[in-house]
Amino acid sequence: GAGVSQSPSNKVTEKGKDVELRCDPISGHTALYWYRQRLGQGLEFLIYFQGNSAPDKSGLPSDRFSAERTGESVSTLTIQRTQQEDSAVYLCASSLAGTSGYNEQFFGPGTRLTVL
Amino acid sequence: SQKIEQNSEALNIQEGKTATLTCNYTNYSPAYLQWYRQDPGRGPVFLLLIRENEKEKRKERLKVTFDTTLKQSLFHITASQPADSATYLCALDLMNYGGSQGNLIFGKGTKLSVKP
Repeated sequence: GAGVSQSPSNKVTEKGKDVELRCDPISGHTALYWYRQRLGQGLEFLIYFQGNSAPDKSGLPSDRFSAERTGESVSTLTIQRTQQEDSAVYLCASSLAGTSGYNEQFFGPGTRLTVL
Repeated sequence: SQKIEQNSEALNIQEGKTATLTCNYTNYSPAYLQWYRQDPGRGPVFLLLIRENEKEKRKERLKVTFDTTLKQSLFHITASQPADSATYLCALDLMNYGGSQGNLIFGKGTKLSVKP
């Protein structure tokens, strides 16, 4: 089947605007993750959804960041009042596992966000 | 403090040689350690996973070792090819009572260049 998809692939916005990034995970994957990758840096964990459990929001850098997931499908990451330091590639991943064992993650291609 | 480090930002080797990449961590107790490959402009792709009670895992030309005493994993690519050129990321999957904790902690990656 199809892999993880993300939209848009690129987003340019002005400082202070709100943006919404979308992730469509692999069908049947109960776990969904958002990461941020700044230029030349590693992946920074943002938030994790597992089934109907409360999401792990421990990686969100500020209250301007929020995310939602509808059941076990689509997720949106919202950044309010964007700042230039929010410029990065935002990666979404999904996996089958969460508490039952190992956790191979399947990544989407990312959304490149540029805040002017 | 907790830290995960990959030995170098860049590694250049000649085609046919074995590439060895290092991942060291401190103040973590990972249940599993994973290696991913990331090509420019793309999301990471899962390569191999090794459990804390495994010393070594192989897959085709890839070999991963995991030493929980040294807190280190080595990732080897034998008979390297120019197509192996990419950034390689190690990731820790932390222990929870049910198994995987969920989110992965990623290193910054090592950019491997294999020259023909």
